[in-house]
Amino acid sequence: DIQMTQSPSSVSASVGDRVTITCRASQGVSSWLAWYQQKPGKAPKLLIYAASSLQSGVPSRFSGSGSGTDFTLTISSLQPEDFATYYCQQANSFPYTFGQGTKLEIK
Amino acid sequence: QVQLQESGPGLVKPSETLSLTCTVSDGSISTYYWNWIRQPPGKGLEWIGYVYYSGSTNYNPSLKSRVTISVDTSKKQFSLKLSSVTAADTAVYYCARFFGSGSNAFDIWGQGTMVTVSS
Repeated sequence: DIQMTQSPSSVSASVGDRVTITCRASQGVSSWLAWYQQKPGKAPKLLIYAASSLQSGVPSRFSGSGSGTDFTLTISSLQPEDFATYYCQQANSFPYTFGQGTKLEIK
Repeated sequence: QVQLQESGPGLVKPSETLSLTCTVSDGSISTYYWNWIRQPPGKGLEWIGYVYYSGSTNYNPSLKSRVTISVDTSKKQFSLKLSSVTAADTAVYYCARFFGSGSNAFDIWGQGTMVTVSS
């Protein structure tokens, strides 16, 4: 299985801050990397697919980059509704696997 | 907009079989991969497996011996069966659509259903 490791596991930030979350794959996944946002009690929501493509309806302050084994999710200017847990997920090979999550908290 | 809705018992006894159904509404069940993903309380996400609309399947090897996923295109439903459950199978179970064709991501999710394994 491909192991996905996110860093940091948690981060505190303020409204308006720029935040970057990193995801590293234990082997190359090409560009088949997605990012999801999950709020308490809710299903995950797709933000970014194919490493850098913004899902329809997702605000442009979210962006993704990377290929191979190293990827980043950047939120350019945090809004109150962005405080949530974020997961990366590889879809290059089976079984599909997720990172352990990064909890973004209000400072 | 396609919507997914999970249904099934919220409580299952140890050693029994967990059975859930996901209903697809306001959209086609064809040409997509239909998945089950679970999340134990306070933990991360685990992909269980998928069924293609044609009936072909792919399962996570960690669960493969206990999992069956099937599809009923006439009812626009797909189902999960997980046998010989233990407390470790307690989780929120999500159904989700996998959109390939250059996306390769889970673009639509059900709201999730909590399943507790307990006697």
